[in-house]
Amino acid sequence: EIVLTQSPGTLSLSPGERATLSCRASQSVINNFLAWYQQKPGQAPRLLIYGASSRATGIPDRFSGSGSGTDFTLTISRLEPEDFAVYYCQQYGSSPLTFGEGAKVEIK
Amino acid sequence: EVQVVESGGGLVQPGGSLRLSCAASGFTLSSYWINWVRQAPGKGLVWVSRIDPDGSSTIYADSVKGRFTVSRDNAKNTVYLQMNSLGAEDTAVYYCARQARDEPLECWGQGTLVTVSS
Repeated sequence: EIVLTQSPGTLSLSPGERATLSCRASQSVINNFLAWYQQKPGQAPRLLIYGASSRATGIPDRFSGSGSGTDFTLTISRLEPEDFAVYYCQQYGSSPLTFGEGAKVEIK
Repeated sequence: EVQVVESGGGLVQPGGSLRLSCAASGFTLSSYWINWVRQAPGKGLVWVSRIDPDGSSTIYADSVKGRFTVSRDNAKNTVYLQMNSLGAEDTAVYYCARQARDEPLECWGQGTLVTVSS
């Protein structure tokens, strides 16, 4: 199984700042089938990015994804108040599907 | 509106069983894989199981293999997760999420809470 390691575990930033989250895979993600999800307390995860760099429907362009193979990045260019949440990466290229442990973006 | 809705959660004693349902609306369930993902209180997301569109293939996480069974009734637009021999480690919110071939999990339900406790 592919293990996904996210870093940092917590990011303390102010609104308007840039957030950069990393996701490293233990082996190459097939076809770069790597997704990013946002989850707020008491809510279901919401798909942000798929295929490493494609934004899901309705996702603002301040969210961007990059990377390939084993190293992937989610960037939020300018944090809005509603962006403070937990972010998970997930690979869906091979079974079993696996998630990273999550990264919390909190208000500084 | 495209949505999936989970139900069937609740409090169950250790060793007990529970069946969760995932009801789809606004789309044809038979065209999609359905995944179950769980989240223990205060913890991260963990994939549990997946069933393919016609129900002919199922896969499970090692932690639930032999105890959980996923099935579907496309005529009822519903997927089920039968959970047996439940233990405290199974306490979690259980989400179902639809997936098209080679696509991510792009439609999630609101989750149903399963609590295993005496």
